[in-house]
Amino acid sequence: DGGITQSPKYLFRKEGQNVTLSCEQNLNHDAMYWYRQDPGQGLRLIYYSQIVNDFQKGDIAEGYSVSREKKESFPLTVTSAQKNPTAFYLCASRRDGGSKTQYFGPGTRLLVL
Amino acid sequence: AQKITQTQPGMFVQEKEAVTLDCTYDTSDPSYGLFWYKQPSSGEMIFLIYQGSYDQQNATEGRYSLNFQKARKSANLVISASQLGDSAMYFCAMREGGANSKLTFGKGITLSVRP
Repeated sequence: DGGITQSPKYLFRKEGQNVTLSCEQNLNHDAMYWYRQDPGQGLRLIYYSQIVNDFQKGDIAEGYSVSREKKESFPLTVTSAQKNPTAFYLCASRRDGGSKTQYFGPGTRLLVL
Repeated sequence: AQKITQTQPGMFVQEKEAVTLDCTYDTSDPSYGLFWYKQPSSGEMIFLIYQGSYDQQNATEGRYSLNFQKARKSANLVISASQLGDSAMYFCAMREGGANSKLTFGKGITLSVRP
């Protein structure tokens, strides 16, 4: 089945630790996105990538980093510089052409110990 | 100014009745797209329906339809024949013209379907 997978489902971070969230898609989409969702809020864009080996900052990129070495994969690292990382993180990939609809993975919930 | 506004408090609807979820948007771009997503308690964002700014007809997808009023800048979601499984958060989002196709989301509306 085609789709987007994210792992892990839950992630715990200790103070000063970097953690990496995985996002993989087999939809053959060029563009991929990372969003953050806080309780009772909409989604805010962290980073996006329109093609392999290229990515741009979104609205709240500080304290995060990404890489895009393969079309299928777009991992997000939450660094120790991100002082308030507790949130729900959603990865999406975008259909090429037409409506350019974004399709989402199941999300990763990050908690700070 | 907010680009996507969803101001309704939590909405309640009786099973099998129709419900309208409001969304207004703000853009000066003549080319844009409007999306509705459903987020159940599991957290996944599920795409429901899309309306392009140049589309002449309102979009429909099964029990979902989009009441697009361009002059009023509103894009309300209508769910017909509500089901218990429709209980979720619903988000309106907009993509403005441009190659990066970033989405801007509203804050969402909680819908509860009563048996």
